Order: sequence, then C-alpha cells, then structure tokens
Amino acid sequence: DGGITQSPKYLFRKEGQNVTLSCEQNLNHDAMYWYRQDPGQGLRLIYYSQIVNDFQKGDIAEGYSVSREKKESFPLTVTSAQKNPTAFYLCATGTVDAEAFFGQGTRLTVV
Amino acid sequence: AQSVSQHNHHVILSEAASLELGCNYSYGGTVNLFWYVQYPGQHLQLLLKYFSGDPLVKGIKGFEAEFIKSKFSFNLRKPSVQWSDTAEYFCAVNARGNNRLAFGKGNQVVVIP
Repeated sequence: DGGITQSPKYLFRKEGQNVTLSCEQNLNHDAMYWYRQDPGQGLRLIYYSQIVNDFQKGDIAEGYSVSREKKESFPLTVTSAQKNPTAFYLCATGTVDAEAFFGQGTRLTVV
Repeated sequence: AQSVSQHNHHVILSEAASLELGCNYSYGGTVNLFWYVQYPGQHLQLLLKYFSGDPLVKGIKGFEAEFIKSKFSFNLRKPSVQWSDTAEYFCAVNARGNNRLAFGKGNQVVVIP
C-alpha cells in the first residue's frame, strides 16, 4: 500500500514529557515536511527536509526537533520546551516543483 | 521566505451560489501555486496547481483558479457550489526550485442545502 503513514492517529502525553511522532513514506520522495494545524491558523511549517541528512527550520521550529537518517522516515519530536504542544500535526512529502502529498495526521493532546 | 494571505476565513453560502476565494502571496520570483482542500475528517488533498502556461487552471470537482502575476494572486472559483463542497480550502506557494511550501490560513466554507 503506497503513501504516507503517520502514527499514531491520537497521542496523549503528560506535560513535560518529550514525544516523537512518526512519519514514513514509500513514495520515494526527496522532500518531507512537518506542519502544525490549529483552527484559524492554517498550516504552519515546523521543519522540512529536502534530502537525507539535511533539514531546515520552518516558521515555528522552537520546541521541536527532527532527524532524517533515511529517505523514508522523518520523525518529529515535540519537546518539553514547546509551550503549547496540543495540536494536529501533519506530515507531507514531495519532490521539487511538484505538489505535496499529506498523511492522515496525528492529533497530540498534552494533559 | 514567501508568505500567503487568504481573506474571509469563514464563508457561508447556499447551494448553487458562486464561490470565489482570494489568495495573495508575497514573493518576487517565479512560484508554483496550489489549492488544497480538506473535507471534514479527511486528509488534505490537491484541488489544482499552477506551474506555468495558461494562467487559468482547471481542477477537480469543477474548481478553477486564475494566476494574475501582476497582482500576486491565485484566486479560486466555482460557478455553482454543492453541499459536498463544504470544506476548508488552503492556498499554498513555493518558489520555483525550492521545496519550502508555505500555506495560507485557510477558508472555512460552509454550503447550506
């Protein structure tokens, strides 16, 4: 089954804990993205990676970290430094000068 | 970095009415432009895209968008909406040759039967 897999769909964590969101793709796309979606805020770019072992900060990178050790995987860690981590997180993939494809998202709730 | 503006976040209209959603971007170079749609409970999917050529682009489900370079705009239109068009619509842009993809804040569209 081809596409982008984000897991888990729902995630609950206690305040102060780090949590890692998974994003895997088998589309052979070079670029991968992490966005945060909040009501009325649209999609805000957290990090993106254009190639393995390289990534760039987006508009709201503070409190987040990523790695890109494999082409297929781009995990996002929400650290305890993120002041308001409860949100819907979307992973996307793409190639240069083409559209991005999105996963189903992970809804993170920090209690 | 490029930025994208979408106005009128909430739009409510009746079936058969015409829909136009505005999108303006700030970037002086060559861009790729997109409209995505998110139906309730579903993931984002591409509605249409513009890379080059005819500035009037036709997408799925009867949607079209017009790129006006002088106005830095890429407005989305549909002549006659249906209840099933109820969704959130996002405009997105990236600079040609660059993967950084920026989104607007979205338009929440509700179509009343």
